[in-house]
Amino acid sequence: AQRVTQPEKLLSVFKGAPVELKCNYSYSGSPELFWYVQYSRQRLQLLLRHISRESIKGFTADLNKGETSFHLKKPFAQEEDSAMYYCAPRGSQGNLIFGKGTKLSVKP
Amino acid sequence: NAGVTQTPKFQVLKTGQSMTLQCAQDMNHNSMYWYRQDPGMGLRLIYYSASEGTTDKGEVPNGYNVSRLNKREFSLRLESAAPSQTSVYFCASSEASLKYFGPGTRLTVT
Repeated sequence: AQRVTQPEKLLSVFKGAPVELKCNYSYSGSPELFWYVQYSRQRLQLLLRHISRESIKGFTADLNKGETSFHLKKPFAQEEDSAMYYCAPRGSQGNLIFGKGTKLSVKP
Repeated sequence: NAGVTQTPKFQVLKTGQSMTLQCAQDMNHNSMYWYRQDPGMGLRLIYYSASEGTTDKGEVPNGYNVSRLNKREFSLRLESAAPSQTSVYFCASSEASLKYFGPGTRLTVT
């Protein structure tokens, strides 16, 4: 069965520090992975997807098939990055399987 | 485009009461979903509808029913609410694998 693990419930960093939100998955076949973000009391929205290989709001994520990881990284965190982040691989039925989320808190 | 809309935004129910959460999308998407979001549990899929006229159970369907009324609308019904159903409910629709979420309904069952 496909599974996704976000080992950190809460990640707290200071403004300007690098941040890495971890995501590991188990998947048979070629995975398609996404990061979704939810700012306080707002709806979830797509942050980035691995196939587009883009940087959104300074965040990047590289798919590492060997380590089955899709960690989200940003070199210099900003206070407005504080939010819940969800890693979501696409399941075999086409649906997204969401991790339990990591709450990122960026302190001034 | 309004995207995905949900009503109501907030609701308080007593145990045993019933209610229907409404969801509509104006993006002409075939697939629609209902999730619940609980602290420490992430988002869990309740039901989904791959196309008009079809519905399937997700991870946590017990205590819920759904109706895909037409391509635009996908409703979630709680026939007899229980305190364990206190949660934030999100509706979503998707184009290929990109999901668009509604603003959520915060439900409290006392």
